Amino acid sequence: EPEVTQTPSHQVTQMGQEVILRCVPISNHLYFYWYRQILGQKVEFLVSFYNNEISEKSEIFDDQFSVERPDGSNFTLKIRSTKLEDSAMYFCASRVDRSSYEQYFGPGTRLTVT
Amino acid sequence: DAKTTQPPSMDCAEGRAANLPCNHSTISGNEYVYWYRQIHSQGPQYIIHGLKNNETNEMASLIITEDRKSSTLILPHATLRDTAVYYCIVSASYNTDKLIFGTGTRLQVFP
Repeated sequence: EPEVTQTPSHQVTQMGQEVILRCVPISNHLYFYWYRQILGQKVEFLVSFYNNEISEKSEIFDDQFSVERPDGSNFTLKIRSTKLEDSAMYFCASRVDRSSYEQYFGPGTRLTVT
Repeated sequence: DAKTTQPPSMDCAEGRAANLPCNHSTISGNEYVYWYRQIHSQGPQYIIHGLKNNETNEMASLIITEDRKSSTLILPHATLRDTAVYYCIVSASYNTDKLIFGTGTRLQVFP
């Protein structure tokens, strides 16, 4: 069964460093998302992406964050200058098209900022 | 998006039906009810969704009250692998497809 994959599974970085989290959505999916979950807290929406553009973003998704679909298969989330509070599990998700209601989530990347 | 209210935790014996309630009294006519679950720290997993009618798939059944102010997710024969946090989400998918997760119900299935 096709699945969303994410790499790395765990990333440790120092405060102020840039990180790129990578996702490979399911191949025929057109809609892509990033969510995050701080340990012990709710899953929070960050951004949705369609047709090479951001469709919607949350207040969390400030200028330090960016997303890109560089090559038609990968979907990346970049954090330019990480802060301690960026430590969280980051989930990528994808959806096949507008008529589908199901978002498929990846296993997540645990980001630890020290 | 309408707010949902779920009990923080529930227990269920293995093999029995698990009935997870959700209150969404402020739901509007074009909002769907979605259920997702999260096993340990894995990515959330879609279970089922509905608008007005009851729905059933291979994983679960969704019962929506006639006034749509509440719903119940039913896992007909719970297994230990169904131990997870279950999220009831209400969203108007025509203008947004973001999922707003609450705190959910932590379902513990015991042998």
